[in-house]
Amino acid sequence: EVHLVESGGGLVQPGGSLRLSCAASGFIFSDYWMSWVRQAPGMGLEWVAKIDYDGSDKDYVDSVKGRFTISRDNAKKSLFLQMYNLRAEDTGVYYCATMGRRTAKTWGQGTLVAVSS
Amino acid sequence: DIQMTQSPSSVSASVGDRVTIACRASRGVGNWLAWYQQKPGKAPKLLIDATDTLQSGVPSRFSGSGSGTDFTLTINSLQPEDFATYYCQQAVTFPWTFGRGTKVDIK
Repeated sequence: EVHLVESGGGLVQPGGSLRLSCAASGFIFSDYWMSWVRQAPGMGLEWVAKIDYDGSDKDYVDSVKGRFTISRDNAKKSLFLQMYNLRAEDTGVYYCATMGRRTAKTWGQGTLVAVSS
Repeated sequence: DIQMTQSPSSVSASVGDRVTIACRASRGVGNWLAWYQQKPGKAPKLLIDATDTLQSGVPSRFSGSGSGTDFTLTINSLQPEDFATYYCQQAVTFPWTFGRGTKVDIK
């Protein structure tokens, strides 16, 4: 069974940094593109970033370009999101997900990031 | 970015009703359209991809249709476990974008 567990969220001041992690199990991690999708409190969903099988192809939504970096470690079956210069509008639950046909096929339970002074 | 507009934003329905949710894209997305279900406090769940392909384990009362810019999610014979928020998502151009959601609640 596919299992994804996010960690690393928390309260951070504007301008601060966080590194989110996603531990994968139950499937061949290196066979899947992976993504981060976030959801602001009480709001809809926003696709943040995606990464291909070996990390050579990455893409980001414009609002995080230059501030966030997605990466993966296939040997450790882990996905990461390094976030710098955090803003209030980055607040939300961050989900990691396996990708299907350009979809978020299986989701983790999410980790909450709160950016506030 | 492609804007996705869902309607209605909320709908009240009873068990056994048929519910239809519309999703319109600001430009054509071919059949690159997916639907998700989200229950309070939970992660979304993929229901349908490629407009009308039901994911494994999703009940057949769910169906998707459409093409180009206009799409529909239909839930036939609504069940108690179907009360949730539903999102459409276009997958033709990155950043893949979602609609704002349609909340299906109990009448």
